[in-house]
Amino acid sequence: SQQGEEDPQALSIQEGENATMNCSYKTSINNLQWYRQNSGRGLVHLILIRSNEREKHSGRLRVTLDTSKKSSSLLITASRAADTASYFCATDALTSYDKVIFGPGTSLSVIP
Amino acid sequence: SQTIHQWPATLVQPVGSPLSLECTVEGTSNPNLYWYRQAAGRGLQLLFYSVGIGQISSEVPQNLSASRPQDRQFILSSKKLLLSDSGFYLCAWRHSGEGLTPGWTEAFFGQGTRLTVV
Repeated sequence: SQQGEEDPQALSIQEGENATMNCSYKTSINNLQWYRQNSGRGLVHLILIRSNEREKHSGRLRVTLDTSKKSSSLLITASRAADTASYFCATDALTSYDKVIFGPGTSLSVIP
Repeated sequence: SQTIHQWPATLVQPVGSPLSLECTVEGTSNPNLYWYRQAAGRGLQLLFYSVGIGQISSEVPQNLSASRPQDRQFILSSKKLLLSDSGFYLCAWRHSGEGLTPGWTEAFFGQGTRLTVV
């Protein structure tokens, strides 16, 4: 499959701590995106990083992309209880950008 | 602004019954459309995607089919549901790649349909 694994599968931290989630993929990509899903709801787009970018920031979110290692990380700084959700990375393949493939996700629990 | 509608929110169907889930998008034209399924506590599995009316790409051979009778309408169907069809079904759209470099933008999701086959 195009998509690899996200790790960790589940992460539990205290409020105020930083949370780091990783994503690996297998094929060359155009872009990589991170999404958030609250329990039982649709996904919401967080941030997009293009294949020629190495780092991107949006508020408390920081995303890195290492195309040589085919991996990305999402860092949430100063976490809040409201950050509790599942986080997914998604990629498109260089040769078939119409397809959007998601990883298995990381379930984040932020304890107040 | 663009919106996506997906219904129903929940559905309980007996084994062997037919299925029809509908997804419509407003405020844009010629979107790419997607159907995903999510098992409990798991990631999203791409089932079908469409880049235009009548154009359907199937990712996983199974008991389901998809159709796109209109530009902004995407329908997921089954003639006879199986227990294994239970799950959370999500519809999504994004702008097509035309005019964009290098290719694509974020996907926008509906709120999902939780299907339980009993």
